Order: sequence, then C-alpha cells, then structure tokens
Amino acid sequence: DAGITQSPRHKVTETGTPVTLRCHQTENHRYMYWYRQDPGHGLRLIHYSYGVKDTDKGEVSDGYSVSRSKTEDFLLTLESATSSQTSVYFCAISESVQGASYEQYFGPGTRLTVT
Amino acid sequence: SQQGEEDPQALSIQEGENATMNCSYKTSINNLQWYRQNSGRGLVHLILIRSNEREKHSGRLRVTLDTSKKSSSLLITASRAADTASYFCATRHFDYKLSFGAGTTVTVRA
Repeated sequence: DAGITQSPRHKVTETGTPVTLRCHQTENHRYMYWYRQDPGHGLRLIHYSYGVKDTDKGEVSDGYSVSRSKTEDFLLTLESATSSQTSVYFCAISESVQGASYEQYFGPGTRLTVT
Repeated sequence: SQQGEEDPQALSIQEGENATMNCSYKTSINNLQWYRQNSGRGLVHLILIRSNEREKHSGRLRVTLDTSKKSSSLLITASRAADTASYFCATRHFDYKLSFGAGTTVTVRA
C-alpha cells in the first residue's frame, strides 16, 4: 500500500446522498484506476485516468463520475448513492515508462455501505 | 466482462503441500499477472509473465503460460500459513488496463 492512500476507509451513507472517495498517490504515476470488488465478481474497473483531466469509463461506470485535477489525486463520486453501490472500492496506480508492463499498485480500499 | 477466470474457486491444503491454480482468458494478451489479496487488504503484485514467455519463477512461485490454450497456472510450493489469501490473475491486452478474474481463495491448514 506504500505511496497510495484512500479516504475515507469506511463510510456508511444513505440512499440518494452524494459520496466522494479520494485516492492520493505520492509515486507520480501517470495512470490511476478505480475498481469495485464484490463477492464472486473479482475486481471490476469503474473509471480510469491516463493523465490530469484525462479520464475514461470502465466496464461498470454507470452511476459514477471521476475527476483528476492533479497528478496525485483521483476522485470517485457517486452522485446519488444506491444500495447496489455497497462495495469495497480500490484505487490503483501504474507507471508509464517505455516498455512498462502496467503492473498495478493498490491502495488499502474503502468499504462503502449504502443503507 | 472479465477476461481471466480462475479455477478452482477455493482450495484448501495442508501446510507444506503445493497449491496450484489456473487461469483462462479469452483474447490475446501482452502479459498476464498474478496478484495476492490478504483478507481486508489491497491486492499485491506477485509475478508477471509476458506473452512470449512460457515459465517464470520467483521464490516459491512458478507461473506457466500457454498462449495456444489461453491459460496460465500459478504454483505455490511448500505452502505456509502466511500463503492463506485470495489469488487473482489479471490479463493485460494492448492498452494500459488490466482485466481481473474472480480469484481463487487458498486456505493453508496448519
């Protein structure tokens, strides 16, 4: 988890409220990713970023938005939380040097419960 | 949709035994990576094998890749209690994203 922090680590919120999760890195890596992890599904990519202000959708992006105004921060927002968004959310980073293998380094996760 | 699928879903072995898990994928890859996740923690990168490689070793880990069968295997030799975790394969295709499987949960009994 070195170099990557996520906040908050745990959150309980009510259906319909907005929620923002933060990922912060100190590695100066170009690529950042948000995943959700649910039993039986492994990790599913929500959104990713390939640079400041450059983001794109992953396979489960509905109901989520992201922003990246600085290299070190990648925010995930649930505009109006639903119970189906109860999950564990992981942020990951990878580097982009020439010939990089794009192995990813993960944060500790945020456990979100929507009641 | 997930590219990698691990088999078995769960594995229970005695300490000192070897653990083998498999990963199958659907389309051509640039590389395949294995990650470990301890309970309540983030994933940790274990080992990577490129599409032009057939076998890699790292300590007690051995990974094989058969691109003709679109499959990989991870072998953990002489397992320890600390190897109890979930193991995920991830395939990198030809961009900077990874596709993860659902994982194999390994329990090592003392």
